Amino acid sequence: EPEVTQTPSHQVTQMGQEVILRCVPISNHLYFYWYRQILGQKVEFLVSFYNNEISEKSEIFDDQFSVERPDGSNFTLKIRSTKLEDSAMYFCARQQSGGNNEQYFGPGTRLTVT
Amino acid sequence: GNSVTQMEGPVTLSEEAFLTINCTYTATGYPSLFWYVQYPGEGLQLLLKATKADDKGSNKGFEATYRKETTSFHLEKGSVQVSDSAVYFCALEVNDYKLSFGAGTTVTVRA
Repeated sequence: EPEVTQTPSHQVTQMGQEVILRCVPISNHLYFYWYRQILGQKVEFLVSFYNNEISEKSEIFDDQFSVERPDGSNFTLKIRSTKLEDSAMYFCARQQSGGNNEQYFGPGTRLTVT
Repeated sequence: GNSVTQMEGPVTLSEEAFLTINCTYTATGYPSLFWYVQYPGEGLQLLLKATKADDKGSNKGFEATYRKETTSFHLEKGSVQVSDSAVYFCALEVNDYKLSFGAGTTVTVRA
């Protein structure tokens, strides 16, 4: 399967700063997702994005978070004002359209908020 | 709601030992079930899946059978290798395209 790439692989930021995490999936996929994994905890769903719109978001995905696909290729997750508890691995996933419910994950971005 | 419970680790085995990781689920609808694997320093990789009762997913010597009567999807491998050392996640999806994951089980295989 073609890979999903994510950049950066590791980002360190100070509390209160904005961060943008990027994901480059295959362009003909319509379904994209962001998940996060706090160290030692389970992988948690954040948001799903279908046809350039948010289709569902979790309780975690509050007003500090936003997603967009500005150029039809990159899929970004923005955290406007980071908190210490935002430190986690953030995974982008893509799903092929057409009824196949398999999700394929990128390698993740490790976000460290100090 | 939807949730997944899997056996806690860590699990440490010798090479060629039999591995089983228990996974049970609760779901509001009819879920698809997945096992994902996370090798050290890498992202999540889909290992296998099953979409209906009694289906068996298999890949790389791993197997799991969708048991609706016991709401389980236990992962098994008959003879593990050192390269199987990883974190294994059970997950489900119920027509809403988002995955609900278990807490993960860390498996270490010693030579």
